[in-house]
Amino acid sequence: DIQMTQSPSFLSASVGDRVTINCKASQNINKYLDWYQQKHGEAPKLLIYNTNNLQTGIPSRFSGSGSGTDYTLTISSLQPEDVATYFCLQHSSRYTFGAGTKLELK
Amino acid sequence: QVQLKESGPVLVQASETLSLTCTVSGFSLTNYGVIWVRQPPGKGLEWMGIIWRNGNTDYNSALKSRLSINRDTSKSQVFLKMNSLQTDDTAIYYCTRDPAGSGDYWGQGVMVTVSS
Repeated sequence: DIQMTQSPSFLSASVGDRVTINCKASQNINKYLDWYQQKHGEAPKLLIYNTNNLQTGIPSRFSGSGSGTDYTLTISSLQPEDVATYFCLQHSSRYTFGAGTKLELK
Repeated sequence: QVQLKESGPVLVQASETLSLTCTVSGFSLTNYGVIWVRQPPGKGLEWMGIIWRNGNTDYNSALKSRLSINRDTSKSQVFLKMNSLQTDDTAIYYCTRDPAGSGDYWGQGVMVTVSS
């Protein structure tokens, strides 16, 4: 099975900061990589699908990039409402979630 | 309006079988797959398995020996059964529509506690 290594596990940043979260796959996943945001007590919410496609209704400060085994979620200017845990999900071969990145405000 | 809703027991005894139902509306199970995901309290998300739109299934290797997913397309329901439950199966269980790029739809989740 494909393994996903997500980093960092925890991230503290200030409002307005540029934030990046990374996921590395154990093999080429051909851009079949989604990003989710989960706030406490809520179901996950899709932000980005297939590496760089912004889900409808998601603010443009969220973007995704990557190829092969390495993928990145970027928040261009952190807002208070972005405090959440973020997960990547590969769906190239079955599905595998990353372990998550907890994002807090500094 | 697309909706998914999980239902089933909230308390299950260890060694018993968990049976959950995901009832969907607003789309056909023959057009979209349904995925089961779980999340232990305070932990990350775990993909459990999928029933594809053609009825085929695929499972997380770690759960495959005790997990089955089926459906009744006439009732718009997807069923999850997992046997030999242990306390570390305590989690919120979600169903969600696949592919995510076609629209992000999740059930509200059902919290299942496995009691020893």
